[in-house]
Amino acid sequence: DVKVTQSSRYLVKRTGEKVFLECVQDMDHENMFWYRQDPGLGLRLIYFSYDVKMKEKGDIPEGYSVSREKKERFSLILESASTNQTSMYLCASSRGTSGAKRNEQFFGPGTRLTVL
Amino acid sequence: AQSVTQLDSQVPVFEEAPVELRCNYSSSVSVYLFWYVQYPNQGLQLLLKYLSGSTLVKGINGFEAEFNKSQTSFHLRKPSVHISDTAEYFCAVTLSISSGSARQLTFGSGTQLTVLP
Repeated sequence: DVKVTQSSRYLVKRTGEKVFLECVQDMDHENMFWYRQDPGLGLRLIYFSYDVKMKEKGDIPEGYSVSREKKERFSLILESASTNQTSMYLCASSRGTSGAKRNEQFFGPGTRLTVL
Repeated sequence: AQSVTQLDSQVPVFEEAPVELRCNYSSSVSVYLFWYVQYPNQGLQLLLKYLSGSTLVKGINGFEAEFNKSQTSFHLRKPSVHISDTAEYFCAVTLSISSGSARQLTFGSGTQLTVLP
């Protein structure tokens, strides 16, 4: 089974702090994604990556950056955390660069971030 | 761009009753469709998917969904629910064409299914 792990389940930070959220997948997937989940809004894509050192902006990239130095690891960075970034953050991965399988995403358990 | 609408944010239903969670999508090209389930304090788990072929798709835990291209719908059904089905359910769509943006899933806002004893 695919396993996607996230470094923390719960995180509390102060406004202005730099925050790192780490995601690791163990199935050699090419594609990795970061979403935030807010009540009534579903999941919104922040950034995704289809290869090492490659990244593309999603629907809501403002205030975030990402890093993918190794295939299995995808990091989400909040340069200066703000209270409106309090949310649940979900990481996902999918395999392949062609065919239907690349669209089937596998999710980590999520990190609930609170910014005070 | 594609979009997904889940018409009901909350669906309460009694145990052993049937349930239907509605999902409509909008896209100018052909799509793949997914239903995911999220149990409390967990990540999302794939319930079922439609890629091609038969429009009636069966998934895990007794759920099924029917792809209706003319009505652009992909409603999720279960004939008899259990307490353990209480969770949030998300419908998602992606384009079936081969391009970079096609790797993205667009999610609906979710439907909270609550099964009552």
